Amino acid sequence: GESVGLHLPTLSVQEGDNSIINCAYSNSASDYFIWYKQESGKGPQFIIDIRSNMDKRQGQRVTVLLNKTVKHLSLQIAATQPGDSAVYFCAERPGGGADGLTFGKGTHLIIQP
Amino acid sequence: KAGVTQTPRYLIKTRGQQVTLSCSPISGHRSVSWYQQTPGQGLQFLFEYFSETQRNKGNFPGRFSGRQFSNSRSEMNVSTLELGDSALYLCASSESGTGVFGYTFGSGTRLTVV
Repeated sequence: GESVGLHLPTLSVQEGDNSIINCAYSNSASDYFIWYKQESGKGPQFIIDIRSNMDKRQGQRVTVLLNKTVKHLSLQIAATQPGDSAVYFCAERPGGGADGLTFGKGTHLIIQP
Repeated sequence: KAGVTQTPRYLIKTRGQQVTLSCSPISGHRSVSWYQQTPGQGLQFLFEYFSETQRNKGNFPGRFSGRQFSNSRSEMNVSTLELGDSALYLCASSESGTGVFGYTFGSGTRLTVV
């Protein structure tokens, strides 16, 4: 079964608000985590990543937080824009490097005007 | 710099047939991995190739196979197609195969089995 899961299938936020998308993982040996955004008809697009030796990483308008104690990952999107509407997936890479990514089911982020 | 190119974009096949999908990675990337995406199961790892060698394989039946050529282009093949094989097939490339520099996905091939 899936070792990476998301708490909510759909998240609706007002334009301009901050969004927080959560993800739980079960493999404590995972050493690398990635957030992807997938728009309709397209492949997953890299947003931000974080290694297991970090607990926070910031990008442009996005922040990823990693809590290894409770095996929880979150993606924060600041000042959400209409273009942020998409399905967001978290993915983990099991330790060892050669294994494929394990993806969560995805959260559909809907931006309300 | 061109992205990951997958061909064809759409494909319709009949149950029992076989199909071959192609993936051209980003120039300089030596690793190609394949994923199946369905509404019910989400994104699932099929296999990964690095320098023409399959390094890891997901939990799929032997009907699913792949290969990688010396120019890093990869193909995956599905034989004896079943209705449940209908899915979006995605490939991702990375420089080292360890994902150190991230994985870049193509837009996928939408396979419909009728």
